[in-house]
Amino acid sequence: DSGVTQTPKHLITATGQRVTLRCSPRSGDLSVYWYQQSLDQGLQFLIQYYNGEERAKGNILERFSAQQFPDLHSELNLSSLELGDSALYFCASSARQADTLYNEQFFGPGTRLTVL
Amino acid sequence: LAKTTQPISMDSYEGQEVNITCSHNNIATNDYITWYQQFPSQGPRFIIQGYKTKVTNEVASLFIPADRKSSTLSLPRVSLSDTAVYYCLVTSGAGSYQLTFGKGTKLSVIP
Repeated sequence: DSGVTQTPKHLITATGQRVTLRCSPRSGDLSVYWYQQSLDQGLQFLIQYYNGEERAKGNILERFSAQQFPDLHSELNLSSLELGDSALYFCASSARQADTLYNEQFFGPGTRLTVL
Repeated sequence: LAKTTQPISMDSYEGQEVNITCSHNNIATNDYITWYQQFPSQGPRFIIQGYKTKVTNEVASLFIPADRKSSTLSLPRVSLSDTAVYYCLVTSGAGSYQLTFGKGTKLSVIP
């Protein structure tokens, strides 16, 4: 158990819909990262938040957005869903920031999204 | 970040030592080599990280030659539960912290 929690575990929805995935980082971790894992694209970084602020963006579509709240939990919003958005979405957290040379990330169990 | 190349798959018998080699020819001076393990339908899990020479922890050893253009993850006496995908990553020592995963090596441990 990494200490990172994600809800829901599974989500089935239809094309065109909007969903929200939730992540609670490990206690004390200030950074939250979102990753998408699909069969064809592998595991890809989407976005990072640190203490409520966006820090880095990866291959995140404009239809997707995220935020980190004052209590440090994060939500990933996926809208206008397409069949190709079906994937496992992982959240990870870490405590470290810019002045460190060590960056171990702790991954949650993931949310499996199926778009029909 | 430097691109990594590792074998797509490997098979090993239980009890054997497994070595997975990764090449990262364009590694930068302040980059680290990091390995993650992923079981099916689970999030990746950090195994080990190193900069040069040898690093050992309770799970694995990591060997990095002086030129740092490659690295080898060594798993001693594997068991069936070590069947997983192993990712070699080059991670920046400073700056961006997102992890860039390649395709990984699927290790199958055979009884």
